[in-house]
Amino acid sequence: AQSVTQLGSHVSVSEGALVLLRCNYSSSVPPYLFWYVQYPNQGLQLLLKYTTGATLVKGINGFEAEFKKSETSFHLTKPSAHMSDAAEYFCAYNFNKFYFGSGTKLNVKP
Amino acid sequence: GAGVSQTPSNKVTEKGKYVELRCDPISGHTALYWYRQSLGQGPEFLIYFQGTGAADDSGLPNDRFFAVRPEGSVSTLKIQRTERGDSAVYLCASSLRGTGNSPLHFGNGTRLTVT
Repeated sequence: AQSVTQLGSHVSVSEGALVLLRCNYSSSVPPYLFWYVQYPNQGLQLLLKYTTGATLVKGINGFEAEFKKSETSFHLTKPSAHMSDAAEYFCAYNFNKFYFGSGTKLNVKP
Repeated sequence: GAGVSQTPSNKVTEKGKYVELRCDPISGHTALYWYRQSLGQGPEFLIYFQGTGAADDSGLPNDRFFAVRPEGSVSTLKIQRTERGDSAVYLCASSLRGTGNSPLHFGNGTRLTVT
């Protein structure tokens, strides 16, 4: 079955530290991958999307994701965390329809 | 421009009642999705429209759930004989094409509480 897997339901980092949120996908064909962010009581907002041919994708709010086909991964990173980054992050995959991972809650400590 | 609009933002109903949740997608978007999200979970796929027709309704949990999009724009999710287990946030999203790397744009959801 097609799916995305997010490792770690909760991640906690200090303000200014590197953010790394992991996403692995299962597929034998190049997928269409996305990262979304959800703030409390809001819908999901697109952070970035994979573009065929690119390995490093830049998104909003300083986030970026690296596509590694050999590892079937699309991890999300940000060099320096801000308090405002505290939210839940979802990796998603489009193959006939959109599938979402179970999410990772990011906590940023002052 | 205007984003995806969902009404109402909150709905409280009694067990056994009928509810309708409305979604107004971004103008020109052909694809429309409904998801359900429970606390601490990712969005759970319910149904996907391409134009007026349901391209995939495999996520509807049972025959109490039904959705329509008669003119290819606004969609209504209908739940009959509501149960307490139906309590969740119902998210609607639209996409320009729905395929490939055309992203989903989400509304803020309708929080349904069945008492």
